[in-house]
Amino acid sequence: AQTVTQSQPEMSVQEAETVTLSCTYDTSESNYYLFWYKQPPSRQMILVIRQEAYKQQNATENRFSVNFQKAAKSFSLKISDSQLGDTAMYFCAFMKDGGGSNYKLTFGKGTLLTVNP
Amino acid sequence: DARVTQTPRHKVTEMGQEVTMRCQPILGHNTVFWYRQTMMQGLELLAYFRNRAPLDDSGMPKDRFSAEMPDATLATLKIQPSEPRDSAVYFCASGLSPRDREHFGPGTRLTVT
Repeated sequence: AQTVTQSQPEMSVQEAETVTLSCTYDTSESNYYLFWYKQPPSRQMILVIRQEAYKQQNATENRFSVNFQKAAKSFSLKISDSQLGDTAMYFCAFMKDGGGSNYKLTFGKGTLLTVNP
Repeated sequence: DARVTQTPRHKVTEMGQEVTMRCQPILGHNTVFWYRQTMMQGLELLAYFRNRAPLDDSGMPKDRFSAEMPDATLATLKIQPSEPRDSAVYFCASGLSPRDREHFGPGTRLTVT
């Protein structure tokens, strides 16, 4: 079974600064996907960024980028130029690419990020 | 922009009552998931369906929970009888393929007193 660990329950950052959220995972699979989801106070789960394990290049989406270290099973999220609207719970998630029926996500416990003005 | 819809958004009920939560997946998505979110356990997968067939419901307490897809546009999650420990936010999500992302609904916040 896969496990996802987010070791930082809470973090805070000043507006406009950069912050990095950590995530490690444990799997014996070689093909899989990794995700970061954001959950603001509205509770809506919003996909921030995804990474395919077979790709060596780190994914980026505007101010969000990841540092994917496959050998170390690490998948950290960097938020640049933090904005007040980035305040949310952030979840790291894993999905194995077994094809067929294997779609389900395994989530970490989350990191509560607060962006301070 | 297509979205997953869930009803009701909030539900307060007394212990022992039946609760039914509904989900309308995005049209064309053939995979539907039910997740439960609590402070203690975080996000847990309860069940998921592909092409309306249940593929995995190992995360769901079988004695009181049941999940069905009467048709491709409706998924239901029932709890009977409900208990205070069932209080949580229940999310439905739908998807199309591993290369797609799961699209989450807004969730149903259930409170059982």
